[in-house]
Amino acid sequence: AQSVTQLGSHVSVSEGALVLLRCNYSSSVPPYLFWYVQYPNQGLQLLLKYTSAATLVKGINGFEAEFKKSETSFHLTKPSAHMSDAAEYFCAVSFPGSSGDKLTFGTGTRLAVRP
Amino acid sequence: DTEVTQTPKHLVMGMTNKKSLKCEQHMGHRAMYWYKQKAKKPPELMFVYSYEKLSINESVPSRFSPECPNSSLLNLHLHALQPEDSALYLCASSQGLSNEQYFGPGTRLTVT
Repeated sequence: AQSVTQLGSHVSVSEGALVLLRCNYSSSVPPYLFWYVQYPNQGLQLLLKYTSAATLVKGINGFEAEFKKSETSFHLTKPSAHMSDAAEYFCAVSFPGSSGDKLTFGTGTRLAVRP
Repeated sequence: DTEVTQTPKHLVMGMTNKKSLKCEQHMGHRAMYWYKQKAKKPPELMFVYSYEKLSINESVPSRFSPECPNSSLLNLHLHALQPEDSALYLCASSQGLSNEQYFGPGTRLTVT
């Protein structure tokens, strides 16, 4: 079955520290992968996407993610956390040629940033 | 411009009321979506319209009725809802094979 897993429902970092949010997928075909951020009482904002071009993808707000096929991972990183990064982050995947227009979301990771 | 707009922002309705949620996008996207999101959970897909035709219904109860009047508009008609239907309702649109979706700000629905 095709799925996506986010390890760690809560992650807490100090301001200025490295942010690492984990996402692994399960798929028999190369997927498209996305990271979204959601601030309280708002919609989801696309941070970045992987669509089989460069494996290191840069997104908005200083975030980037690396697609590692051998590890079936697409972890999200940011070198230095800012207080404004505190939010819920969702990894999502779609599979070309199957399931129509569906996105499959992970369960989410809440990022807290300590002063 | 990657904006999807939704109205209203907040809606409180009784179980016997009829109301509608509205979503609009002007990006020329071919697909539009309705999601339901409960607190601390990921969005759950409800409906997908592709080229103004309903392509996916995720076994949603009939008290939710989607409508796509044209390629830019998507409505969700609500009737006889239950308190457990209280949630954030998100609209999204997409175009292209990679299926990146752009979300609206959502409507916070409370059913009393």
